[in-house]
Amino acid sequence: DSGVTQTPKHLITATGQRVTLRCSPRSGDLSVYWYQQSLDQGLQFLIQYYNGEERAKGNILERFSAQQFPDLHSELNLSSLELGDSALYFCASSVGARTRVGLWSTDTQYFGPGTRLTVL
Amino acid sequence: GEDVEQSLFLSVREGDSSVINCTYTDSSSTYLYWYKQEPGAGLQLLTYIFSNMDMKQDQRLTVLLNKKDKHLSLRIADTQTGDSAIYFCAESPTGTASKLTFGTGTRLQVTL
Repeated sequence: DSGVTQTPKHLITATGQRVTLRCSPRSGDLSVYWYQQSLDQGLQFLIQYYNGEERAKGNILERFSAQQFPDLHSELNLSSLELGDSALYFCASSVGARTRVGLWSTDTQYFGPGTRLTVL
Repeated sequence: GEDVEQSLFLSVREGDSSVINCTYTDSSSTYLYWYKQEPGAGLQLLTYIFSNMDMKQDQRLTVLLNKKDKHLSLRIADTQTGDSAIYFCAESPTGTASKLTFGTGTRLQVTL
């Protein structure tokens, strides 16, 4: 158990609909990341938030948006859903700052169990 | 740009060593990671290595890094059936954004 929780575990919806995926980071982590895992695209970074602010953006569609709330949980909103949006959506969290490990530092990401989205 | 490649499939016998390979293109990659994904589960961090290191050993796992060739490998000694999973390598550049770029994943099948 990584300490990162995601709800719901499974989501089945129809094309054109809108859904919200939720993520609670590990206690003490300030950074939240969203990734999409699909058969054709593999694992792709979508977006990162740090302490409520957007820090980095990846291959996130305009139909998708995310936010991080004051209690640090995050939500990923997917709208106007298409069949191709069917995928596993992962949330990861990290401290958000490089942590010293000897002479180097790392900001290791810990992943949640994912939300499987099926668009019919 | 960033690109990480892995072979898709590896089959080994129980008790043998497994070697999973990965190549990356981003020369600014400073942190390289190995994650494991079991069926229906999330990603579990196995180990990581910094780009100034050549090797890191952690129990049955050995990571080798050839920075000149941008080649990373994960060796699993005494492979067990419980090691059957998909293994992803990932790289993260320097800087404040820690986003990971993942490889395609290698499915490891352990046979009896």
